[in-house]
Amino acid sequence: DTAVSQTPKYLVTQMGNDKSIKCEQNLGHDTMYWYKQDSKKFLKIMFSYNNKELIINETVPNRFSPKSPDKAHLNLHINSLELGDSAVYFCASSQSGTGPLGTQYFGPGTRLLVL
Amino acid sequence: GDSVTQMEGPVTLSEEAFLTINCTYTATGYPSLFWYVQYPGEGLQLLLKATKADDKGSNKGFEATYRKETTSFHLEKGSVQVSDSAVYFCALSDRGGADGLTFGKGTHLIIQP
Repeated sequence: DTAVSQTPKYLVTQMGNDKSIKCEQNLGHDTMYWYKQDSKKFLKIMFSYNNKELIINETVPNRFSPKSPDKAHLNLHINSLELGDSAVYFCASSQSGTGPLGTQYFGPGTRLLVL
Repeated sequence: GDSVTQMEGPVTLSEEAFLTINCTYTATGYPSLFWYVQYPGEGLQLLLKATKADDKGSNKGFEATYRKETTSFHLEKGSVQVSDSAVYFCALSDRGGADGLTFGKGTHLIIQP
């Protein structure tokens, strides 16, 4: 009965490779997000996406691209991985709207290590 | 743009001590405010939230009150336990969350027996 799930939990890969992280939510939410947590634990939004709008944080390199096959899934594809991409990536979801509707629920995270 | 400032740790307390973690924010709109907790090696869990001025969020003995006049959302607990050791994040959601959550830098809390 996991609300927001991510796969894989751990990902170790070489520089220059292309990889994907998958996210699924069973909460019926219409908006999903990707966050990056760096080595100092700082969390920063990368993307927010619903069926109407993709909002990209302008600091995110275009090597990162979200792909959503349907409302319950938002995958993160990363091309040409770099050492600086090593981080923990969190998926989250919410129902669009203000107040309590805006509460986001997070997945367990994917720990990416680029060698 | 929006921002959240919280006290940086680590904060070390003895078991049963009183806890306060300060959080202040700046926002262009009328945000919702949240505290999330991250236990070692785990993801983020919602601890509590408040969506309008003077609301008090509470959960597991933790409380925080949305103070619009001081733009603050300080986290408090009357008697901490070793199991409360974690990283605590203050966050805000503006524009209905369309731009994602804006997080503070996190406060690492260590409770000693």
